[in-house]
Amino acid sequence: EAQVTQNPRYLITVTGKKLTVTCSQNMNHEYMSWYRQDPGLGLRQIYYSMNVEVTDKGDVPEGYKVSRKEKRNFPLILESPSPNQTSLYFCASSFSLNTEAFFGQGTRLTVV
Amino acid sequence: EDQVTQSPEALRLQEGESSSLNCSYTVSGLRGLFWYRQDPGKGPEFLFTLYSAGEEKEKERLKATLTKKESFLHITAPKPEDSATYLCAVHPSGGNTGKLIFGQGTTLQVKP
Repeated sequence: EAQVTQNPRYLITVTGKKLTVTCSQNMNHEYMSWYRQDPGLGLRQIYYSMNVEVTDKGDVPEGYKVSRKEKRNFPLILESPSPNQTSLYFCASSFSLNTEAFFGQGTRLTVV
Repeated sequence: EDQVTQSPEALRLQEGESSSLNCSYTVSGLRGLFWYRQDPGKGPEFLFTLYSAGEEKEKERLKATLTKKESFLHITAPKPEDSATYLCAVHPSGGNTGKLIFGQGTTLQVKP
């Protein structure tokens, strides 16, 4: 089954404790991206990757890092999380930017 | 600045009452416009991609249209199962080639 898998689904952590949210896709897609979704603000792009070892900033990259060492995986790293990073996060992948995107189930992160 | 605005924020319809959702955009150039549906607690699901003014696409009770400044998602004779948040996203052609900008969404409720 074609899918994008994020882990964990829910995470509560403390300020400053490094964390990684994993994202994996099984469709051999080249394009992957991360978004955060906040009430009233909609989905905002954090980072995206056009292919292996090619990443670039979206609209809200501050406080986040990503890497793309393999085509299927695109982890999101928060080196020192802060409460304003409490949000619902989505990973997505597509064959190219202008084709159908598949989204993961979401990761609800709470930073206290 | 590239921007996507959706209206209304919320829409309540009776079953069978047709209506339209609006997505207006201001971007340097348009590579593609996307419509997604999002159910509570889930990731967005792809509906349509439109690439040029005048283009139309249909799927069941939904029809998406595109002009040079806006897109409409027409819902004909909606059913309660059409209740969801509908998201519009734009891939601009200028600048950052991988950017995808989402509107804030329209939450549709269809009452039986």
